[in-house]
Amino acid sequence: NAGVTQTPKFQVLKTGQSMTLQCAQDMNHEYMSWYRQDPGMGLRLIHYSVGAGITDQGEVPNGYNVSRSTTEDFPLRLLSAAPSQTSVYFCASKIHPANTYGYTFGSGTRLTVV
Amino acid sequence: DQQVKQNSPSLSVQEGRISILNCDYTNSMFDYFLWYKKYPAEGPTFLISISSIKDKNEDGRFTVFLNKSAKHLSLHIVPSQPGDSAVYFCAASAGGGSNYKLTFGKGTLLTVNP
Repeated sequence: NAGVTQTPKFQVLKTGQSMTLQCAQDMNHEYMSWYRQDPGMGLRLIHYSVGAGITDQGEVPNGYNVSRSTTEDFPLRLLSAAPSQTSVYFCASKIHPANTYGYTFGSGTRLTVV
Repeated sequence: DQQVKQNSPSLSVQEGRISILNCDYTNSMFDYFLWYKKYPAEGPTFLISISSIKDKNEDGRFTVFLNKSAKHLSLHIVPSQPGDSAVYFCAASAGGGSNYKLTFGKGTLLTVNP
């Protein structure tokens, strides 16, 4: 099925561990983003990419790395997990430059750091 | 400093009546606004958008109104249905409509009672 696929759906990490949240889309979308959602905080932009090989920081980038080697994939790396990174992470993609349409979001990865 | 504000954490309406969800913004550079709907354990789903050159956009039961002078937008749902019960996020972007960096509000939980 076409869409944005995130893996894993759930993850528990110990403080200091590293991991990669995977995101893939099969819609040939140029724009991709990572957001985190915390209780009472809405969604906040972590990193985004406007095309393969191009990434930039969003509102809350500290502690996270991204790369965009292909149009389809946009993994998010946690370098050294901290309890403050406990959150639900959403990956999203959209076609460029169709401004009348919003992002298509994945179903999320719920991460707990203990 | 919250640039997009949804001051009502929750709203409850009767089936068949109108639901009005409100959103205020502070950044004068925002020129594109979107509404997303989110069910529990799912990613947000794009609902409707509006450019700053318009003051109204309609799509079926959903209408978004924009008052630029007041920096205020609202989403009207008529008639409301139980399936509309979800969290609604207001989002905004700046930069000529390229629309790839979104700033979200905290969301409003809408409950439509049968």
